[in-house]
Amino acid sequence: GIQVEQSPPDLILQEGANSTLRCNFSDSVNNLQWFHQNPWGQLINLFYIPSGTKQNGRLSATTVATERYSLLYISSSQTTDSGVYFCAVEWPARQLTFGSGTQLTVLP
Amino acid sequence: ETGVTQTPRHLVMGMTNKKSLKCEQHLGHNAMYWYKQSAKKPLELMFVYSLEERVENNSVPSRFSPECPNSSHLFLHLHTLQPEDSALYLCASSQDSGGTDTQYFGPGTRLTVL
Repeated sequence: GIQVEQSPPDLILQEGANSTLRCNFSDSVNNLQWFHQNPWGQLINLFYIPSGTKQNGRLSATTVATERYSLLYISSSQTTDSGVYFCAVEWPARQLTFGSGTQLTVLP
Repeated sequence: ETGVTQTPRHLVMGMTNKKSLKCEQHLGHNAMYWYKQSAKKPLELMFVYSLEERVENNSVPSRFSPECPNSSHLFLHLHTLQPEDSALYLCASSQDSGGTDTQYFGPGTRLTVL
């Protein structure tokens, strides 16, 4: 099956810092999504990004499908950004395969 | 209510009990999903329903039995579970247009099997 690897596994930041999270995948995929899971378990969809770049406020994402990776940028981080960030790829069809996540802690 | 709701939010059950998890989506979607999230492991897809028909069943033990009576409701019936089945069970929905559109998740049911 497809391998979805996220790095780093853990990240601790001071409030106001910027960060980049990476997702590598081992095969061609139809699409890729980024999610944030808050400390209470709720998963929120951040981006649906099979290719190209998208921005939403302090967050942006870039997927380079031909090189099989995606990046999630968080600028001016806030304590509310803490949680686990997952990327998920559509593989096989109609199914999402998730990476192991990056645990982000933003300190005040 | 809006979005995807799940009940109960927490459930503790013995190995001989029978219980059901409920999921309801208010987004007008036609596809619904059950995922299992165990500690220290990625989310695992369990079941996919599209237009109320099960399209995927990822080798899930028969002690988990899904039911999708209509496009807005999804159930997961549980019986004779094992302690290793303790996990966060997440429901999601999306608009199935032949591929995977953006998925919207419920808050989850945290299950503990004693």
